[in-house]
Amino acid sequence: DAGITQSPRHKVTETGTPVTLRCHQTENHRYMYWYRQDPGHGLRLIHYSYGVKDTDKGEVSDGYSVSRSKTEDFLLTLESATSSQTSVYFCAISPGGGNTEAFFGQGTRLTVV
Amino acid sequence: DAKTTQPPSMDCAEGRAANLPCNHSTISGNEYVYWYRQIHSQGPQYIIHGLKNNETNEMASLIITEDRKSSTLILPHATLRDTAVYYCIVRGWAGGTSYGKLTFGQGTILTVHP
Repeated sequence: DAGITQSPRHKVTETGTPVTLRCHQTENHRYMYWYRQDPGHGLRLIHYSYGVKDTDKGEVSDGYSVSRSKTEDFLLTLESATSSQTSVYFCAISPGGGNTEAFFGQGTRLTVV
Repeated sequence: DAKTTQPPSMDCAEGRAANLPCNHSTISGNEYVYWYRQIHSQGPQYIIHGLKNNETNEMASLIITEDRKSSTLILPHATLRDTAVYYCIVRGWAGGTSYGKLTFGQGTILTVHP
């Protein structure tokens, strides 16, 4: 299995508090992605990174920020959590696009109460 | 990235082949067809990918039509453990504006029956 770890795996937080999710990889892959998945939906892209300090928004980026200060870590921050951000969050890594595999972490289940 | 269309659900008997179709009529020449599956709420699992030739690995076979507008994922001998949501995705190169992003649709819920 690809070396990708998400932490924490489960978290319950209160509305209005900041939350940071971490994605850590040991594969030295250039590309990293954050997705969220809600009941009845496929995965939707929040943010992605194409290198250290290089990030961009995905289709559902409002309310989220990211940082990548080193190759192995990609952090997703909810500045002020809302109940609509209750979801399962998945991180993915890939050496490139096209003809390369992307590997997913096991997910972080976040509940905002 | 090109969009894909899949049937929402399919059934298959255990031990039989499962053939999952996917339409991707707007695929461009440098885009690959990928298949992933997701069991329960686990992270999506890579199955196979291809450009224009048929591909086979230990999990499945991928048949891409000559015009590349559709493809079929084949699980040759489905087991109960193959019950999952299967996603067909068109993925471009990491260069340009694609950055190798995977855009998920709703997928096909495959249920394998005893």
